[in-house]
Amino acid sequence: EVQLVETGGGLIQPGGSLRLSCAASGFTVSSYYMNWVRQAPGKGLEWVSVIYSGGSTYYADSVEGRFTISRDNSKNTLYLQMNSLRAEDTAVYYCARTRPGSSFDYWGQGTLVTVSS
Amino acid sequence: DIQMTQSPSTLSASVGDRVTITCRASQSISSWLAWYQQKPGKAPKLLIYKASSLESGVPSRFSGSGSGTEFTLTISSLQPDDFATYYCQQYNSFSSITFGRGTRLEIK
Repeated sequence: EVQLVETGGGLIQPGGSLRLSCAASGFTVSSYYMNWVRQAPGKGLEWVSVIYSGGSTYYADSVEGRFTISRDNSKNTLYLQMNSLRAEDTAVYYCARTRPGSSFDYWGQGTLVTVSS
Repeated sequence: DIQMTQSPSTLSASVGDRVTITCRASQSISSWLAWYQQKPGKAPKLLIYKASSLESGVPSRFSGSGSGTEFTLTISSLQPDDFATYYCQQYNSFSSITFGRGTRLEIK
């Protein structure tokens, strides 16, 4: 059974850093495109970043230069390193798998990041 | 970036109604469009991919159509479990994905 479990969210001050993890089971993370998507409280979905199976990475303009997506193949885990956090980064962060020929077929339950002093 | 304009933002309907949600892309995305359903406090759920392909396990009352820049999601006969928020998503390029702003489907 495919499962994605995010951890690492919490309350952080503006300018701080946080690393989110997404532990996968039931499939191999490195064989798929893996994404981070966020949702600010009461708002819509915003795609944040993707790491391709080949290792290429891409980011939304809103996080480019501040966030870094990566994976640890030995742990079958996806990460999002978030630096220079701002109040507008406050959101629930989801990891999601891209199925070839389709779109985001599996999502984690989300982890809440709150940026506030 | 490709912009997705979704309408309406809110839709009031009754059980048994047929409803349609529209999504328009700022440029052609061929058929690279998905639809998701999201309930409060839950992750989105994939309903439709490649504009008209029904995800496994999704009831057949859900259908999608369109290509290029105009797309629709139709629910043929609303059930109580269908009241939720729906999002379209373009994936013309997996390096730059965008979502519509969502349609909240509420009970009339």
